[in-house]
Amino acid sequence: SAVISQKPSRDICQRGTSLTIQCQVDSQVTMMFWYRQQPGQSLTLIATANQGSEATYESGFVIDKFPISRPNLTFSTLTVSNMSPEDSSIYLCSVEDVRLQGPVSTDTQYFGPGTRLTVL
Amino acid sequence: QKEVEQNSGPLSVPEGAIASLNCTYSDRVSQSFFWYRQYSGKSPELIMSIYSNGDKEDGRFTAQLNKASQYVSLLIRDSQPSDSATYLCAVNSYTGNQFYFGTGTSLTVIP
Repeated sequence: SAVISQKPSRDICQRGTSLTIQCQVDSQVTMMFWYRQQPGQSLTLIATANQGSEATYESGFVIDKFPISRPNLTFSTLTVSNMSPEDSSIYLCSVEDVRLQGPVSTDTQYFGPGTRLTVL
Repeated sequence: QKEVEQNSGPLSVPEGAIASLNCTYSDRVSQSFFWYRQYSGKSPELIMSIYSNGDKEDGRFTAQLNKASQYVSLLIRDSQPSDSATYLCAVNSYTGNQFYFGTGTSLTVIP
């Protein structure tokens, strides 16, 4: 599976500021995703980061709040803008790994280590 | 109706017992099914994937899929304290090429 790294691993930020999270993959991947996981909750998809086009956002998430860049097939950033304490969460990037197993195409998602964000 | 549903637990089993984790999904055209393990403070780690009806075994883990019943399960044999974690069920719906995650089942293996 792909090796995924995220920076920073954690941060404590002040209300009203912005934080950019980086996700780096050791191989070229078509699809990259950004998730949020709030304390004690499951994963919520924020957006799909597309290379060469704008990200596709899920309901409840907007580009002004969570701008995403995808300059190439190994890298993406997520910015959390104008932060409030409600943005305190773990932010995870994931990549899609598509493989052919005989006549069947299978795809799997692998996750980076996550960024733990605390907003004061 | 949620796309993927799991019992949130917590589920406690004694060491050496079989832990059984269950998941149901709503989209009949779903084709790919996954179990992730997430230790506290860590990111989800893929432990099993299954694509066709029946059982798939990998070491102490067995995934079971029943598409007619829209049901997927994970059995952990000879449970160890190191298996204590939250287990997330995920389903890939080809209608939107999106992964849907359950809320996770917390498992504690008691030594």
